[in-house]
Amino acid sequence: AQSVTQLDSHVSVSEGTPVLLRCNYSSSYSPSLFWYVQHPNKGLQLLLKYTSAATLVKGINGFEAEFKKSETSFHLTKPSAHMSDAAEYFCVVSGGYQKVTFGTGTKLQVIP
Amino acid sequence: DAGVIQSPRHEVTEMGQEVTLRCKPISGHDYLFWYRQTMMRGLELLIYFNNNVPIDDSGMPEDRFSAKMPNASFSTLKIQPSEPRDSAVYFCASSLGGGNIQYFGAGTRLSVL
Repeated sequence: AQSVTQLDSHVSVSEGTPVLLRCNYSSSYSPSLFWYVQHPNKGLQLLLKYTSAATLVKGINGFEAEFKKSETSFHLTKPSAHMSDAAEYFCVVSGGYQKVTFGTGTKLQVIP
Repeated sequence: DAGVIQSPRHEVTEMGQEVTLRCKPISGHDYLFWYRQTMMRGLELLIYFNNNVPIDDSGMPEDRFSAKMPNASFSTLKIQPSEPRDSAVYFCASSLGGGNIQYFGAGTRLSVL
């Protein structure tokens, strides 16, 4: 079985403060993990991808995520939020048989 | 490459009408996915194809929905007859390999009145 849980449906941060979006996964295989971002009225865009190389993955726009196998987590972080980061973020797990499972999304609000 | 291209971007129709959504995947990609996104249900996988063959259509809500991929560069999602509850944004995505990065189109916003 394969699943992904995004622990917060909404996160609100002030501009310039750190961002933490939490994701836990379950997979019977060595998974690939992804974070996608969706800005309002846009399609989803890949932020970063983990595929069993370095556990700390750097993505676009200053985001990064750390794969922690012992905690089955793949949390997304950014040191300093920008207004343009306001969007919805999806954590995705890909395991065996090419199955891809999307999380339910976390809406990030950035307060000026 | 122009990316995944979906048409139309917006569709407004009346209940009972047939609706056809179109998708052109990225050239060379062998997987194509159709998703539906609503406020209530979030992002749902409807169906996906590998090398033009439907692999998993368990997400298709009912028989009113059908999808085809006649060749590697084109896919359609048809709703017949349409109902107001079908109003949503429909996304198409393609990838090279099933578990790899999916590239999404801009979506079709469907409103059924």
